[in-house]
Amino acid sequence: QVQLQESGPGLVKPSETLSLTCSISGGSIRNYYWSWIRQPPGKGLEWIGYFYYSERTNYNPSLKSRVTISADTSKNQVSLKLKSVTAADTAIYYCARAAGDTFSVDVWGKGITVTVSS
Amino acid sequence: EIVLTQSPGTLSLSPGERATLSCRASQSVSSNYLAWYQQKPGQAPRLLIYGASSRATAIPDRFSGSGSGTDFTLTISRLEPEDFAVYYCQHFGSSLLYSFGQGTKLEI
Repeated sequence: QVQLQESGPGLVKPSETLSLTCSISGGSIRNYYWSWIRQPPGKGLEWIGYFYYSERTNYNPSLKSRVTISADTSKNQVSLKLKSVTAADTAIYYCARAAGDTFSVDVWGKGITVTVSS
Repeated sequence: EIVLTQSPGTLSLSPGERATLSCRASQSVSSNYLAWYQQKPGQAPRLLIYGASSRATAIPDRFSGSGSGTDFTLTISRLEPEDFAVYYCQHFGSSLLYSFGQGTKLEI
């Protein structure tokens, strides 16, 4: 059974870069879309972007200028970098997997809380 | 960019009742890529329905999805206490971008 585990700093200073890693166990990166999705406190879900194992990426237009998603297939990890963060980037960040036929997200990590504050 | 609008924002019902949640797209979308999720407090979302009407693995048959074009519905036939949660619809569009609705809170 595939499991996803997010890791990274829980506190990031304004204007710095948020960096998170998703470690994938029990399955391969290949043939799936790996998304990062976030949820600000008390609010709904916001899709950030995805990586597809053939090096294809796509990002939410509202975040595109600040986001990079990449993968290390040798480590079975997907990473998120979000630069120039502000308090508005404070959220729970989820790593998630979608199959390429339905694009529905069938596996989610537990999420990691990231706070942007000085 | 497709915008998904869910209604109502909050739905107050009792166990045993039927719940009907709506998701409306700003333009016609493929039902193949319309999904519904359930999220309980402190938990990650869980996939309920994909392809507008197919139940995900281990989802009880009291959950059903329907719709096409711009209007989609999630129906819970007989509410159980564990069904009170927030529900989101989601679409993957032709521009290869994801969008989520703002959510419907189902409360007792």
